[in-house]
Formats: sequence, structure tokens, C-alpha cells
Amino acid sequence: GAVVSQHPSWVICKSGTSVKIECRSLDFQATTMFWYRQFPKQSLMLMATSNEGSKATYEQGVEKDKFLINHASLTLSTLTVTSAHPEDSSFYICSARTSGANVLTFGAGSRLTVL
Amino acid sequence: LAKTTQPISMDSYEGQEVNITCSHNNIATNDYITWYQQFPSQGPRFIIQGYKTKVTNEVASLFIPADRKSSTLSLPRVSLSDTAVYYCLVGETAAGNKLTFGGGTRVLVKP
Repeated sequence: GAVVSQHPSWVICKSGTSVKIECRSLDFQATTMFWYRQFPKQSLMLMATSNEGSKATYEQGVEKDKFLINHASLTLSTLTVTSAHPEDSSFYICSARTSGANVLTFGAGSRLTVL
Repeated sequence: LAKTTQPISMDSYEGQEVNITCSHNNIATNDYITWYQQFPSQGPRFIIQGYKTKVTNEVASLFIPADRKSSTLSLPRVSLSDTAVYYCLVGETAAGNKLTFGGGTRVLVKP
């Protein structure tokens, strides 16, 4: 079945630095990927829709200059948290769906801790 | 996007059947109903999907009434490892269509 890989699975960084999270579709091409954010004991919150070869579409309230999304190929989308602060500490999850498929496949998630 | 409402939590015991009902009163004609399972610190995992009537796979059954305004996920004979959060999502299945998560149901299976 479809597999989505995320890297790194966890990262710790200092406040003010930038962190990049990669999301790869391993055995299928994904023209669209989705990035979610999840705080402890809360549901997933959609941050943005990543479109291959074009700009991402951000949900209301999500700062596009803070969370940079690049979808340069059909198998890779990256989320960069710029100038990270402790409040950006969260669990970030990406997902993708093959064209014509009914099911959204999720990555394992990336836990970001900003000190 | 159709909004979903689920119970916040449910407790059960090993070997019992667990039924989780999701309300989606404004579901659209092209929307499918999909259930995901999430363990702590992991991404959600697909369980089952349906459009109408009943769907069954090796892990669960999904019951959808004729008006499609609700759906019930049935987990037969749960075990401790079924303790997780279960999410009901409603939306179109085209590749670019986003799906929004509701609150989910936290299921605790006790020995």
C-alpha cells in the first residue's frame, strides 16, 4: 500500500533557529500533500495544502512566512519552521493521497521541541 | 466541509464490541466517510471507509444509514492494543480535497 515517510521523527532545536521536516511519498506520486499540527491531547489541525510546483495554500491563522512549505517534486514536500520559538513545539504530521485514491495516507509524524 | 461530532471518550473491556457513532448532518452528496485510528505520537492510520449501507473489513465494520447523516464504527472483540483515538472524517476523495479532523473519540480498553 501507499507509504508516506517523514523525517526527522523528532528534533530538538534552540529558539531562533529554523527546522526543516521532510515528507516523502515512497511508492506513489502525490501532487498534493497536507501538513497538520497536533498539540498534546488535541486533534490534528490542518495547517496547509502543499501543491507540487506551486505555492502552498495556508489555512486561516497559519503564518506562511513562519511555516515555509516547498513541494518541488511529486514525491517530496518540506515544511520549514523558521525562527522557531517554544510555542512552535508540537507534533507535525504530513499526509498525501494518490490521484484517484480514496484514502489519505499519513506519515509517522515529527515531534519538534524548541528550547 | 461537513462537520463531524463524536463522543469525547469511551471505555470498554477486552473482548467486548465497541461502537462509536459519528454525526455529520450536513454531509454532501460526493462525501465519503472515513475512519482513522491514532496511537500516541504516531500519525493516523486508515481503518475503514464507506459511502452508504455497510462496509466490513478485517478489522472493523462501518454502518451508514440511508440518510447518511451519521455513521457507526464497530470494533469487534477489542483488545488492549485497540486503546487509541478514533477519528471520523467526511469529505470528497479527490486528491486535492483537504480533510479536516474533528475532536475524535478516545477509546480506553481495560483488562
